[in-house]
This record gives sequence, C-alpha cells and structure tokens, in this order.
Amino acid sequence: QVQLVQSGTEVKKPGASVKVSCKASGYSFTSYDISWVRQAPGQGLEWVGWISAYNGNTNYEQKLQGRVTLTTDTSTSTAYMELRSLRSGDTAFYYCARLSNYRSFDYWGQGTLVTVSS
Amino acid sequence: QSALTQPPSASGSPGQSVTISCTGTRIDVDSDNYVSWYQQHPGKAPKLMIYEVSERPSGVPDRFSGSKSGNTASLTVSGLQAEDEAAYYCSSYSGSNNLGVFGGGTKLTVL
Repeated sequence: QVQLVQSGTEVKKPGASVKVSCKASGYSFTSYDISWVRQAPGQGLEWVGWISAYNGNTNYEQKLQGRVTLTTDTSTSTAYMELRSLRSGDTAFYYCARLSNYRSFDYWGQGTLVTVSS
Repeated sequence: QSALTQPPSASGSPGQSVTISCTGTRIDVDSDNYVSWYQQHPGKAPKLMIYEVSERPSGVPDRFSGSKSGNTASLTVSGLQAEDEAAYYCSSYSGSNNLGVFGGGTKLTVL
C-alpha cells in the first residue's frame, strides 16, 4: 500500500532553516510528482510547490520563492522540503502528498509540525 | 486571501443533503477540469474525496459527488452521516502555470 512517512516535529528560531523529509513506499517513486502543502494552526491549506521525482523539475508558490527548495533522493525514495529564513508566519503543519496524473493529492503524509519561535 | 471562495460553514441533519460551493476564475478559465475536494478531520491529514471535478477514488462512498458549472465547482454530500462532520477544501490546478490553489475551507456540521 502507498505510504508517505514524514520526519518529526521541529522547533526553530527565527532566521534558521528547516528540512523536512518524506519517505515514500508502495509505488514506483519516480512515476509521480510530490507536492508540499502547509497549514497554519487553525487555518486552511496552502500550496508550497511540487517536484517531479522523475527529473527533479520544480515549481514553487510565488510567495515562498527564494526561501524554499524541494529535492528528492531516488535511491531512498525520499522527498525533502527545505525552508530558509524562517519567520513566525511559517509556523504550520507541513504535509507531503503524491500528485496524481489528474493533479490531485491522492496520498498524504501524516504531517510535520514546524514551530518558529524565539 | 484564497483565489477560490468557499462558504466558511455549512450544516445539515443526518440523512439530509448538503452542497458546498467553490467559486473562482481559476475554476472556469484554466483549471483543465483539475478540480478536487478534500475532507479533513481535526488533527488528521486531508483525504481525497473527489478528483477531476466528479470522479471518486476507490473507497469513497457514492454519497459524495462533485460537479462544475461555469466558475463554480460543487461538492454534494447526500444522506449525511455523523462521520461526515469535517472541514472540506476544494482545489484547482492550473495547467498554464503548473500551480494549484486551495479554497479557504468549509466546516460541515452534522446537526
């Protein structure tokens, strides 16, 4: 069965960086894109961007452009999201999700809470 | 502010039907029919309920249906059950800029 398992809770100070991992199993990793979505506490869902696990092509939400980098390691079927210059507004649950051929998120990770606090 | 607009709340009694709307230019102009809906219970990851406007993934009850007219997509939940109480989000994916957007979410209450 398809599973996406994310790394654990992170607490960071403003200005620091965070890297969240998402290990995929149960399907051919390079056959699907991986997307990242975030959700601030009590708020709605927000696209972060996506990466092709096949060729590494990426696309990022404009407001995060320059601070976020998505990568993959095909040898371990793991996707990564790095967010730099963290600010309090980045406090959120970060989810990885498989992007289906119909451009919907058909499988989700369990979420990783990133808290930015001094 | 989301590019897709949803009502913040909706409600219905068990057995009734409820429709949640999702309005925005992204739906009409360049979504390429890549409209999807997600259910999220508190403390849980979202779950795909509808993709490509009206298609249901395996395992999703046929009480859930989707449609689109002009710049408005809709999710209808028929025969409401207590476990349907959750937040619901619409999403549209644009083939022109290869990015997606979510609606602000609708909290569905089963009375």
